[in-house]
Amino acid sequence: EAGVVQSPRYKIIEKKQPVAFWCNPISGHNTLYWYRQNLGQGPELLIRYENEEAVDDSQLPKDRFSAERLKGVDSTLKIQPAELGDSAVYLCASSLVGLPETQYFGPGTRLLVL
Amino acid sequence: ELKVEQNPLFLSMQEGKNYTIYCNYSTTSDRLYWYRQDPGKSLESLFVLLSNGAVKQEGRLMASLDTKARLSTLHITAAVHDLSATYFCAVDDGGDMRFGAGTRLTVKP
Repeated sequence: EAGVVQSPRYKIIEKKQPVAFWCNPISGHNTLYWYRQNLGQGPELLIRYENEEAVDDSQLPKDRFSAERLKGVDSTLKIQPAELGDSAVYLCASSLVGLPETQYFGPGTRLLVL
Repeated sequence: ELKVEQNPLFLSMQEGKNYTIYCNYSTTSDRLYWYRQDPGKSLESLFVLLSNGAVKQEGRLMASLDTKARLSTLHITAAVHDLSATYFCAVDDGGDMRFGAGTRLTVKP
């Protein structure tokens, strides 16, 4: 079974530039999560989707971050414009349904904003 | 707001020794998860604990949950170098997982 796929794996941009991350969850998984992980810390949830619906986006900085999950499968997370403090690893995870099912994480996108 | 605290944050131990990592959380929850993360890699699920008194074991790792004390432990038995990694606990916070800061474990020969 293929795991969660993310691209790109690495991205270096200058501040104020836009950036987008893509996630393909495990086939059949209805719930998709985007997390941000700062160096030396645990992941922090940005947004949770159940199928196409964003059911928890309370931690998403809506002034510059946006996300979508068209057709309830792939998802894209966008930052526009990026700031220096956005440098982090962005992780996508999926699960068959929500908790208590465990989540399966992708390899992440490592973003560096210069 | 649910807070999850792990200790220690850094742990260096010798091969063959035993040790316990602790995960405390601040509000009621019956569901707790342990993950492992190798450097530069993503998170791998280790254990899912879904009730008070739950105990699960896999190889040299054993996890337990005491919901009344709001405490989970991850016990390492006879550590080996391959266990070197960062271990995270995460608590169900109303349908979302809230992670601790992680315990960075180094096992030395």
